[in-house]
Amino acid sequence: AQSVSQHNHHVILSEAASLELGCNYSYGGTVNLFWYVQYPGQHLQLLLKYFSGDPLVKGIKGFEAEFIKSKFSFNLRKPSVQWSDTAEYFCAVIGGSYIPTFGRGTSLIVHP
Amino acid sequence: DARVTQTPRHKVTEMGQEVTMRCQPILGHNTVFWYRQTMMQGLELLAYFRNRAPLDDSGMPKDRFSAEMPDATLATLKIQPSEPRDSAVYFCASGLVRENTEAFFGQGTRLTVV
Repeated sequence: AQSVSQHNHHVILSEAASLELGCNYSYGGTVNLFWYVQYPGQHLQLLLKYFSGDPLVKGIKGFEAEFIKSKFSFNLRKPSVQWSDTAEYFCAVIGGSYIPTFGRGTSLIVHP
Repeated sequence: DARVTQTPRHKVTEMGQEVTMRCQPILGHNTVFWYRQTMMQGLELLAYFRNRAPLDDSGMPKDRFSAEMPDATLATLKIQPSEPRDSAVYFCASGLVRENTEAFFGQGTRLTVV
């Protein structure tokens, strides 16, 4: 069975600080990896995704993530956060079952 | 702009009442997921349909929850009888069973059982 672990449950940053959110997964086969964002009171929206090829993927709003296969990791990064990035961030993995499995989420608060 | 549509957006009901949540997946998608989101448990998969057939509902309490897809444009999640511990946000998502695809989420139904 596949599983996802997000190490940071709550992160508080000031505007312009750099962000890195950790995500590790467990699955022995080929995976598709995703980061979703959930703004307060809203639904989950896709930030970026990795299927194959270049392990460094760029998403919307200046976010990027790097797939490191040897570490089973897919960490999310942003060089300079904004107040509007305040949200919940979910890492997800899809393995052979085609069922997305989500991490517990990381709550990010950015102070202006 | 294709999107997953869920109704109602909010529901407040009394304990013991029946609750039905509806989802219209994106046209052409052949998989539908129901997730429940709570502070304590995060996102839990309740049920999964492929081509309208239920493939996995192991995450759903069988005694009170039921999920169906009467046709390709409608998925339902029913709770009977509802209990206060069912209070949560219920999300429907749809997608395609093939490589290189993601799940698209609806706006969710915020359920409060008092």
